[in-house]
Amino acid sequence: EDKVVQSPLSLVVHEGDTVTLNCSYEVTNFRSLLWYKQEKKAPTFLFMLTSSGIEKKSGRLSSILDKKELFSILNITATQTGDSAVYLCAVEAILGNTPLVFGKGTRLSVIA
Amino acid sequence: DVKVTQSSRYLVKRTGEKVFLECVQDMDHENMFWYRQDPGLGLRLIYFSYDVKMKEKGDIPEGYSVSREKKERFSLILESASTNQTSMYLCASSLGTSGFTDTQYFGPGTRLTVL
Repeated sequence: EDKVVQSPLSLVVHEGDTVTLNCSYEVTNFRSLLWYKQEKKAPTFLFMLTSSGIEKKSGRLSSILDKKELFSILNITATQTGDSAVYLCAVEAILGNTPLVFGKGTRLSVIA
Repeated sequence: DVKVTQSSRYLVKRTGEKVFLECVQDMDHENMFWYRQDPGLGLRLIYFSYDVKMKEKGDIPEGYSVSREKKERFSLILESASTNQTSMYLCASSLGTSGFTDTQYFGPGTRLTVL
């Protein structure tokens, strides 16, 4: 059965800290791994990763995938209170006919 | 553990048919959501509900309606199915004590094909 495990489940940091969120997966016919930020009604898309070792960056956020070890990390540098959210990791199978498999999320709280 | 179930894993319907997708959660969650998932487009929010009989439009509500008569059940209705509604439909629920920032728990999805 396809599975996505995120760690830690929750995290509290101070503004300015750097955080690393982890996502490991087991999925048949892997196509892509996606990171979402959920702070309002619906998760908002952050990154899609399909190839190992290629870092994707967007401002203070970056992410990388390791397809050999079956995991991804999401880094946030110089955290701000606006980064407080639940970060979801999901994997997509290559066939496209199966739903995204989501992890349970990491709740990040950034305190001033 | 939270369980979100959807009535069908696979569904095939004809253009013009009325389609009902059912979602049930067993954890007394306040919030429920319907999304569609399409390759390259990720998740898109169709409708959500924060209480019984309450509903709000998401980002792509056109062609859909919803019903929440009981807290545990949230139905998505395609009044007249069209081929561009062929998609994977995901239901989710969340506790609601923190508004909409609680973790959402997703169902297994319904793959709808409209011919």
